[in-house]
Amino acid sequence: EIVMTQSPATLSVSPRERATLSCRASQSISTNLAWYQQKFGQAPRLLIHGASTRATGIPARFSASGSGTEFTLTISSLQSEDFAVYYCQQYNKWPFTFGPGTKVDIK
Amino acid sequence: QLQLQESGPGLVKPSETLSLTCTVSGDSISSSNYYWGWIRQPPGKGLEWIGSIFYYSGTTYYNPSLKSRVTVSVDTSKNQFSLKLTSVTAADTAVYYCARQAFKKFDYWGQGTLVTVSS
Repeated sequence: EIVMTQSPATLSVSPRERATLSCRASQSISTNLAWYQQKFGQAPRLLIHGASTRATGIPARFSASGSGTEFTLTISSLQSEDFAVYYCQQYNKWPFTFGPGTKVDIK
Repeated sequence: QLQLQESGPGLVKPSETLSLTCTVSGDSISSSNYYWGWIRQPPGKGLEWIGSIFYYSGTTYYNPSLKSRVTVSVDTSKNQFSLKLTSVTAADTAVYYCARQAFKKFDYWGQGTLVTVSS
């Protein structure tokens, strides 16, 4: 099983500041990585797939990069609606696995 | 617009079987080249993939940690897919989500349903 790790566990950021989240895979997953945003009491929402492609309707302030085992999600200027938990997930190999999440909260 | 909706009992007794259904609207399960999957989230914790089915081939994929207890199936006549989890314990208490997988990523999710295992 591919183990996904995320850092930091919690990121405190002021509105309009940049947030950078990291995700690491225990073995190479090429670019078969997705990022999801989950707000309290809601289902996760797909933000990024293919490691760097924004899903339909996702604002341009969300960008992502990486391949192999190291990945990054950047939110360029945090808006109030961006405070949430972010999960990475690999879909390179069954069983598909999620990272433990990074909570982005208001500083 | 594709929509998915989970349904099933919110309370299941220990050792019994958890059964959930996901109703898909806005697309046909049988006409699309997608996987259909289940994910769960214990209260206050992260996401765990449970299992998926690829309708075209009928192939199922299960999380090894749950494989002996899980069955995912499709009912095309009702445009639904289902989850059965046997011999449940309190550790199976979670919000259960159904989702569509386009090229294996989860692109559409249901709103989730809380299932509590308790006597």
